[in-house]
Amino acid sequence: QVQLQESGPGLVKPSETLSLTCTVSGGSISSYYWSWIRQPAGKGLEWIGRIYTSGSTNYNPSLKSRVTMSVDTSKNQFSLKLSSVTAADTAVYYCARVPPLGDYFDYWGQGTLVTVSS
Amino acid sequence: SYVLTQPPSVSVAPGQTARITCGGNNIGSKSVHWYQQKPGQAPVLVVYDDSDRPSGIPERFSGSNSGNTATLTISRVEAGDEADYYCQVWDSSSDHPGVVFGGGTKLTVL
Repeated sequence: QVQLQESGPGLVKPSETLSLTCTVSGGSISSYYWSWIRQPAGKGLEWIGRIYTSGSTNYNPSLKSRVTMSVDTSKNQFSLKLSSVTAADTAVYYCARVPPLGDYFDYWGQGTLVTVSS
Repeated sequence: SYVLTQPPSVSVAPGQTARITCGGNNIGSKSVHWYQQKPGQAPVLVVYDDSDRPSGIPERFSGSNSGNTATLTISRVEAGDEADYYCQVWDSSSDHPGVVFGGGTKLTVL
C-alpha cells in the first residue's frame, strides 16, 4: 500500500521560504506525477503544482512566481519550496499521487499544517 | 481560467439520495473526479473519470457528467457520509494547464 508523508517546519516567518518534503513508501516514485495541494482553515482545496519524476513541472499560475518543486528518486521523495510567504500561505499542505494516464489524485498524505507568523 | 461551481451545502435524510452538482463550461467534455473529506482528514477519491469508483468505495457512490453539469449521487445516505465533497478536473484549455477544484459542498445528513 502506497503511503505519503509530508514533513517540514510547522512555522515559517513572513517573507521567508516554506520548504516541505513528501516521502513515498510502499511503492516507487518513478513514472508518476506528484502534486502539492493546500487548504487554508475552513476553505477549499487549492492545487499548487505537479512534478514528474523526470523533473518536468506544471504550476498554478497564481503561485508560479514563488513555487519550485523538485524530486529525488534515490530517496523516493519530492519537495516544495514556496518563497516570500505571507499569512495568506497559512494552510494544511498535502502531497498526492497522480496515477498513470489519470489526472486525479489516488493517494494523499495526511497533510501538514504550516503557519506563517513572526 | 476554468471555474467549477458547487452548491455550498446539501442536506438529506438518512436513507435518501443526495445529489451534489458541479457546474462548468462544457464540463461534459472533461473527466470529472470527486473527493470526500471528513473533518481533520485528507480527501479521499470516491469517483474518478466521471463515473468510476476506486476499490473500496461503496456502490452507493456514483457519478455522471453531461453538458455543463457533473453530478455525484450518493444513494441510501448514511450518517457516515456527512462530509465535504469536492469536484476536480484537469483544465487543458488555457495557456497554463492545471488542476481545478470546485469550491466544495458540505453534505449534512439530517
